[in-house]
Amino acid sequence: QKEVEQDPGPLSVPEGAIVSLNCTYSNSAFQYFMWYRQYSRKGPELLMYTYSSGNKEDGRFTAQVDKSSKYISLFIRDSQPSDSATYLCAMTRGNFNKFYFGSGTKLNVKP
Amino acid sequence: DAMVIQNPRYQVTQFGKPVTLSCSQTLNHNVMYWYQQKSSQAPKLLFHYYDKDFNNEADTPDNFQSRRPNTSFCFLDIRSPGLGDAAMYLCATSSLPGTSNNEQFFGPGTRLTVL
Repeated sequence: QKEVEQDPGPLSVPEGAIVSLNCTYSNSAFQYFMWYRQYSRKGPELLMYTYSSGNKEDGRFTAQVDKSSKYISLFIRDSQPSDSATYLCAMTRGNFNKFYFGSGTKLNVKP
Repeated sequence: DAMVIQNPRYQVTQFGKPVTLSCSQTLNHNVMYWYQQKSSQAPKLLFHYYDKDFNNEADTPDNFQSRRPNTSFCFLDIRSPGLGDAAMYLCATSSLPGTSNNEQFFGPGTRLTVL
C-alpha cells in the first residue's frame, strides 16, 4: 500500500467551477500537509501548507485536513484556465523526516 | 527574491557520459533534497542533506551521487547515465527544525535527456 494515494484524474471542469482535490494517507504520524501546483515541465510550486487538522484559506484556495479520517482536500473556488496544472499533495512527520507525495491530479479548466 | 535555483534547466547527454546538475539556494535552509520525477509520477526522493549529513534512499542507484560543499550549493552527479535516467530532476529545500516551518520549496527543475 502506498503511503499517499491520489486520484490521477484527469479532472476537467468548466471555468468558474469549484474544484475539489483529495488525498488519503495511511501513516497517522503525518503532521504537516502541503499542496503543490505543477505546470507542465516546471518545478512544483507550494500553494498551501497546513499543520495538523483544520482548514486554511488563501484567496480562492482552501486546504482541509481531517486527521481522524487520514484525508486531505484542496478546494479551488472560481476556477480559472490558468489553474490548469497537476496538483500534488505532500506530507511529512516533520523534523526533516521524508516528504511523501501523491502521484498528482491533473486538472483542466475549460474556458 | 530568495529562491531555489537549478542549472542548467535543460541538459542533454549521451548514454554513459557523466553529467552534473547543480542547485543553489538563497533561503539559508539546512536541508536540501534531490528528487527524480518522471512523466505523470510523483517526485521520487534520491537523497537529502541535513547540513552536511548525507542521507541516501535505499533504492537510489549507485550511479547517482551528490555533493554539498556549503549551505548554499548542492550537486547531483550521474556517473553513467542510462536511457532510464531521462527525467526531470528537482532540487528542494526545507527550513530549520524545532519550528512549525516544515515547508519544502522546489527549484524549477532540470530536464535531462539521454541520447
